[in-house]
Amino acid sequence: GAVVSQHPSWVICKSGTSVKIECRSLDFQATTMFWYRQFPKQSLMLMATSNEGSKATYEQGVEKDKFLINHASLTLSTLTVTSAHPEDSSFYICSASAQVGFFGPGTRLTVL
Amino acid sequence: GENVEQHPSTLSVQEGDSAVIKCTYSDSASNYFPWYKQELGKRPQLIIDIRSNVGEKKDQRIAVTLNKTAKHFSLHITETQPEDSAVYFCAASIGSGGSNYKLTFGKGTLLTVNP
Repeated sequence: GAVVSQHPSWVICKSGTSVKIECRSLDFQATTMFWYRQFPKQSLMLMATSNEGSKATYEQGVEKDKFLINHASLTLSTLTVTSAHPEDSSFYICSASAQVGFFGPGTRLTVL
Repeated sequence: GENVEQHPSTLSVQEGDSAVIKCTYSDSASNYFPWYKQELGKRPQLIIDIRSNVGEKKDQRIAVTLNKTAKHFSLHITETQPEDSAVYFCAASIGSGGSNYKLTFGKGTLLTVNP
């Protein structure tokens, strides 16, 4: 079946550094991918919609200059958390619209 | 935008009993309603979904019902087992392709099945 992968699965970084997370569709083309964030003991919240070849669409309250999204190919979308702070520590999960309902394995980000 | 309410936030049942989790949504254009099970530290796993042209769907011990008029849908788990213990999320989406498949989630229900 179709698989969405993410890399890395977990990352620990110092405050002020940038972290890049990859979301990759392994056996299908994904023109649209979604990035969600889940804080501990909370629900998933959509951050942005990533569109291949065009700018991402961000949800209200999500800083586009802080969470940079690049969808340069039909199989890869990247989320870069710039100048990360402890409050950005969260579980970041992606999904692809072509496989509605299915999520990547997630990336747990811890900012010290 | 869409708003999804989920109840209860916690649910404790005895093994073998049934569990019911209910969700309501606000956008009448929503037509895709998945349910997820999430175990600690893992990604949400799709367990069942329903589209708005169907009123009920069943898969072994799990069933989902949808009332479009009232804009609510429910998850039913029968003969619960300890391994059913997890957090369950409902979600809603306008599923007509591309960016319309973005999901709005309920806040989750922590289900505990006591042996």
